Amino acid sequence: GQNIDQPTEMTATEGAIVQINCTYQTSGFNGLFWYQQHAGEAPTFLSYNVLDGLEEKGRFSSFLSRSKGYSYLLLKELQMKDSASYLCAAWGYQLIWGAGTKLIIKP
Amino acid sequence: KAGVTQTPRYLIKTRGQQVTLSCSPISGHRSVSWYQQTPGQGLQFLFEYFSETQRNKGNFPGRFSGRQFSNSRSEMNVSTLELGDSALYLCASSSSGTSGSGPYNEQFFGPGTRLTVL
Repeated sequence: GQNIDQPTEMTATEGAIVQINCTYQTSGFNGLFWYQQHAGEAPTFLSYNVLDGLEEKGRFSSFLSRSKGYSYLLLKELQMKDSASYLCAAWGYQLIWGAGTKLIIKP
Repeated sequence: KAGVTQTPRYLIKTRGQQVTLSCSPISGHRSVSWYQQTPGQGLQFLFEYFSETQRNKGNFPGRFSGRQFSNSRSEMNVSTLELGDSALYLCASSSSGTSGSGPYNEQFFGPGTRLTVL
């Protein structure tokens, strides 16, 4: 079957680091997307991983392990504006979306 | 480059009515995907159109249908509306779609249409 799981909600403190995990099971696999969605807005692209390993992009990094069907999004130096939902999506024969992780940042 | 546009932004209908939503993709993009988003369910894939052909379909009843025109604009229709159809409907465009293997394809989302069924 095909499914994708990520935690429903996480809370972190401003200035800290948080890791949002995503596990997936797909038919075929091309890559793994992460999107950010602020409340009331459309999702916007954050990262795309094809190969195993960590890709860093400023304060955000994304990791992929194809053999384990696992990815995580790492957010450093958290800011209040990072409060949003983070969606992972696995691209196999179709694009399968997770339900999203709502990240709450506290001062 | 103009982004993805969706009309209308907000819509209120009553049960049993039908509704048509419109999506204009980014210029040059040939793929349009439609999603339903509700608080508890996340993004649910409805269907994808590529060059006027439906290339993929999610697990939604036949009341949900769509089409794509030669200029890549797409419409989604929901007939016999039910209370459970209340949701944010998002469309996303990409250059070559997300069905099957191929080059990297970032999806660009429109602002969505908020449908409320009373």
